[in-house]
Amino acid sequence: EPEVTQTPSHQVTQMGQEVILRCVPISNHLYFYWYRQILGQKVEFLVSFYNNEISEKSEIFDDQFSVERPDGSNFTLKIRSTKLEDSAMYFCASSPISGTQYFGPGTRLLVL
Amino acid sequence: RKEVEQDPGPFNVPEGATVAFNCTYSNSASQSFFWYRQDCRKEPKLLMSVYSSGNEDGRFTAQLNRASQYISLLIRDSKLSDSATYLCVVNLGDNQAGTALIFGKGTTLSVSS
Repeated sequence: EPEVTQTPSHQVTQMGQEVILRCVPISNHLYFYWYRQILGQKVEFLVSFYNNEISEKSEIFDDQFSVERPDGSNFTLKIRSTKLEDSAMYFCASSPISGTQYFGPGTRLLVL
Repeated sequence: RKEVEQDPGPFNVPEGATVAFNCTYSNSASQSFFWYRQDCRKEPKLLMSVYSSGNEDGRFTAQLNRASQYISLLIRDSKLSDSATYLCVVNLGDNQAGTALIFGKGTTLSVSS
């Protein structure tokens, strides 16, 4: 069964550093998403992406964040200058045109 | 503003028990509704969609009351493997494609032998 994959599984970085989280969506899916989950909190939507453009973004997705589909398979989330409060699990998801979102295993980001 | 609220739990039940989870949502424009399951430190996985007429999938039954903005999940004959956090999720679109899923904080279920 096709799956969304994410790398790395864990990332530790220093405050102020840039990080790039990588995702490979399911191959025939057209919509891509990033969510985050701070430890002990709910899953929160960050951004959705379709046809090489952002479709929707939340208040969390400020100028520190950007997304890109650099090639036909990868979908990335960049955090330009990490803050302590960016520490969270970041989930990538993808969906076909019919809708159901399938989540990847997540990247656990720790900002020190 | 709490958009999706759930019973805080945890629910601790013996194997074979029936357990019910409740959820309310604040945005009356919500169009589609789901229950996801999340195991500890894992990704959310779709358990079932929730339809206006109510729907059943094996031991799991979901109900939706649009007037009360209330969603429920009933699990019959609980198994040890049902132990997880159950997430109530709503979406403003009529399918999930391209739009944000709004998650509740989840209700933790622990089934013991």
